[in-house]
Amino acid sequence: GDSVTQMEGPVTLSEEAFLTINCTYTATGYPSLFWYVQYPGEGLQLLLKATKADDKGSNKGFEATYRKETTSFHLEKGSVQVSDSAVYFCALSDGAFQGAQKLVFGQGTRLTINP
Amino acid sequence: EAGVAQSPRYKIIEKRQSVAFWCNPISGHATLYWYQQILGQGPKLLIQFQNNGVVDDSQLPKDRFSAERLKGVDSTLKIQPAKLEDSAVYLCASSLVGGELFFGEGSRLTVL
Repeated sequence: GDSVTQMEGPVTLSEEAFLTINCTYTATGYPSLFWYVQYPGEGLQLLLKATKADDKGSNKGFEATYRKETTSFHLEKGSVQVSDSAVYFCALSDGAFQGAQKLVFGQGTRLTINP
Repeated sequence: EAGVAQSPRYKIIEKRQSVAFWCNPISGHATLYWYQQILGQGPKLLIQFQNNGVVDDSQLPKDRFSAERLKGVDSTLKIQPAKLEDSAVYLCASSLVGGELFFGEGSRLTVL
């Protein structure tokens, strides 16, 4: 079945450092790809998405590019802030982006940014 | 706009006891989901409703878990009897048909 694998955490960086969180996937079809974020004490929130190969999703300074040839969707940010400390989840959904499709999540990566 | 509401936020029970979680989705959202998130893992879909009907319950352990969505609005997830391995956060999410999922803060269950 479909699956998502994220880099092992936790990840600790200093403020203004460059961030990469790796995500690779296995899927039989052409999934949509997502990054969700969970800030302390809050629910999961959609951070960004991409629905087809070579699409780049971006939001709040974060970016991720859908790479079909490497089945990857790595999350990057050029300069992290303390407020980016959270747990990040990579996820996929079969077919085009539709809320009715089942999301398959990676295990999550906890990010801590020190001032 | 009010978000997805869940209760209780925390629950501790003994194994073999029963527990129920409640979810109130965002007004107008036809699709409702229950996910189970075990510590250190990503959320896993348990059941998905479209209005009153079940769309997908293939990963719901039906011998002990049940869920209903009366009148296409609120939903209840029940576990009876609970096992140690049911300790997890139970997340409710809702969406418009074909839209983005919005998650509640979750209900944390500890089974002793």
